[in-house]
Amino acid sequence: EDQVTQSPEALRLQEGESSSLNCSYTVSGLRGLFWYRQDPGKGPEFLFTLYSAGEEKEKERLKATLTKKESFLHITAPKPEDSATYLCAVQAGKGAQKLVFGQGTRLTINP
Amino acid sequence: KAGVTQTPRYLIKTRGQQVTLSCSPISGHRSVSWYQQTPGQGLQFLFEYFSETQRNKGNFPGRFSGRQFSNSRSEMNVSTLELGDSALYLCASSLGQLGSEAFFGQGTRLTVV
Repeated sequence: EDQVTQSPEALRLQEGESSSLNCSYTVSGLRGLFWYRQDPGKGPEFLFTLYSAGEEKEKERLKATLTKKESFLHITAPKPEDSATYLCAVQAGKGAQKLVFGQGTRLTINP
Repeated sequence: KAGVTQTPRYLIKTRGQQVTLSCSPISGHRSVSWYQQTPGQGLQFLFEYFSETQRNKGNFPGRFSGRQFSNSRSEMNVSTLELGDSALYLCASSLGQLGSEAFFGQGTRLTVV
């Protein structure tokens, strides 16, 4: 069974303090690994898709990387508006559009 | 380009009733997936429709059903509501190929009392 584990569950940083969020996965036949950002009461907002080990993608202060067993979301010099829950999900095998999500990391950036 | 639209945004229903939620995908997207989000279980896959056919189904009871119309709009129905069905129901739209990105709507917050 496909599994996704995110750590830490919650992370509190000071503005400008860089850090990384972890997403470990166990799947059969990875088709894609996805990162989303979710604000309270809203739907997840798409950030990145990674398809193969060694791939990296960047967007503003965020950079996502992928290995064969895990993905990292690096946040450089974060700002308070980066506060949100970050979700990792995998699409695997022949499961069409089924995404298996981790429980998320709740990130708080203090000014 | 319009995003994914879900209606209604909020619903309050009584145990035993049934409810229908609606989702309009991004123009050109033929795949619509539904997810249930609760604080305890996180985001869980309900089912996916592609070109009016259910392509995949999660581990939910038969009270949860859905359909997709020829214009790709989708509806989800929950019959005989239980208190545990209270959740944020999210719809995701995609092109439908393996590995393609899914874009979510704002969700429908269902409260069962």
